[in-house]
Amino acid sequence: DAGVIQSPRHEVTEMGQEVTLRCKPISGHDYLFWYRQTMMRGLELLIYFNNNVPIDDSGMPEDRFSAKMPNASFSTLKIQPSEPRDSAVYFCASSRQINQPQHFGDGTRLSIL
Amino acid sequence: KNEVEQSPQNLTAQEGEFITINCSYSVGISALHWLQQHPGGGIVSLFMLSSGKKKHGRLIATINIQEKHSSLHITASHPRDSAVYICAVGSGTYKYIFGTGTRLKVLA
Repeated sequence: DAGVIQSPRHEVTEMGQEVTLRCKPISGHDYLFWYRQTMMRGLELLIYFNNNVPIDDSGMPEDRFSAKMPNASFSTLKIQPSEPRDSAVYFCASSRQINQPQHFGDGTRLSIL
Repeated sequence: KNEVEQSPQNLTAQEGEFITINCSYSVGISALHWLQQHPGGGIVSLFMLSSGKKKHGRLIATINIQEKHSSLHITASHPRDSAVYICAVGSGTYKYIFGTGTRLKVLA
């Protein structure tokens, strides 16, 4: 079975540019999660979706961040405009049900110069 | 005081040793999650538990709801177990709170 697929694996861009991170969850998984990992703050939940609907976005740091899930097989996390402090590894994960184990993608390592 | 605390922060063991990593939390939870993050960065879910004990191969996870404490045990440790182990607690709203992780190094 294909796991959670994230793209790109690495992204380096200049401050002020728009950044779009992509995620394809495992087929049949109803829940999708976006996480951010930094050395200072560790892993943080940004937002999660159930059946394509955002349920909790209280972890989204500010209005520059937005996430969408137009269908069951695709989600995006967008940062506009990007800032150096957004540099982190962003993980997407999916699970079949709310209290079942999550499967993580390989992450996108984002560097904002 | 952090809502989820792990100990130790760093651990070095010799191959074959029995390892215990601890997680204490101060919030009410619906489930607790143990994750493993390898040096390459990938994250793997090891266990999700809300009571009792679970075992998978050489890994055992236990949770004591009354004491708000969970442990992850590794028997007969091996260098390939070297990774960061992260405890995460989920509340009823499923907003996970993560521990800062325990960095384990197993020497051959």
